[in-house]
Amino acid sequence: RKEVEQDPGPFNVPEGATVAFNCTYSNSASQSFFWYRQDCRKEPKLLMSVYSSGNEDGRFTAQLNRASQYISLLIRDSKLSDSATYLCVARGYSGAGSYQLTFGKGTKLSVIP
Amino acid sequence: ETGVTQSPTHLIKTRGQQVTLRCSSQSGHNTVSWYQQALGQGPQFIFQYYREEENGRGNFPPRFSGLQFPNYSSELNVNALELDDSALYLCASSSDPGSTNEKLFFGSGTQLSVL
Repeated sequence: RKEVEQDPGPFNVPEGATVAFNCTYSNSASQSFFWYRQDCRKEPKLLMSVYSSGNEDGRFTAQLNRASQYISLLIRDSKLSDSATYLCVARGYSGAGSYQLTFGKGTKLSVIP
Repeated sequence: ETGVTQSPTHLIKTRGQQVTLRCSSQSGHNTVSWYQQALGQGPQFIFQYYREEENGRGNFPPRFSGLQFPNYSSELNVNALELDDSALYLCASSSDPGSTNEKLFFGSGTQLSVL
């Protein structure tokens, strides 16, 4: 079983639509969670951190459910510029005082005019 | 721009060769992590260097090795290249590896093709 699992998509949605991505993680010791955005073959960029209380940044809302080991990302009023791959990430201890990020495979979003 | 620079941007090698990839971390960052991203996959953790010492390693064989220099720049070396080593290699720097608020800043990567 993959440590971080996501639906690969693609999700093809019209401009203005609301779209939701889900992710599950298997390591209950994971401490922090993030959503990264990656444009085609470029570097991942941090979109937002994810907290149990839920957090919102403009059109983006992220939620963490530790009991279910489940993370979500909601995008409202989709823009063409939101087209990208969204990577779900869990951060956990990898030994010797270091932490590592474990990435899902990513969910591809295409926003259509 | 994150301030993390990687070189070269693209590289073509043949099986069995050796390759060295380079990364300059963001100013003030003392920690560098390396990730491998194969096509259609998420990045996979290779290892991390903190103050010139390796202090974490993912599930990669010993032919993947690295260095970190006193200025915190880093190299990733891969010996005896295999076809499956073809991937985007990403370097990320951070300043506080033990903090739960640690944030990684990625460079734009080196695309390695092994023929």
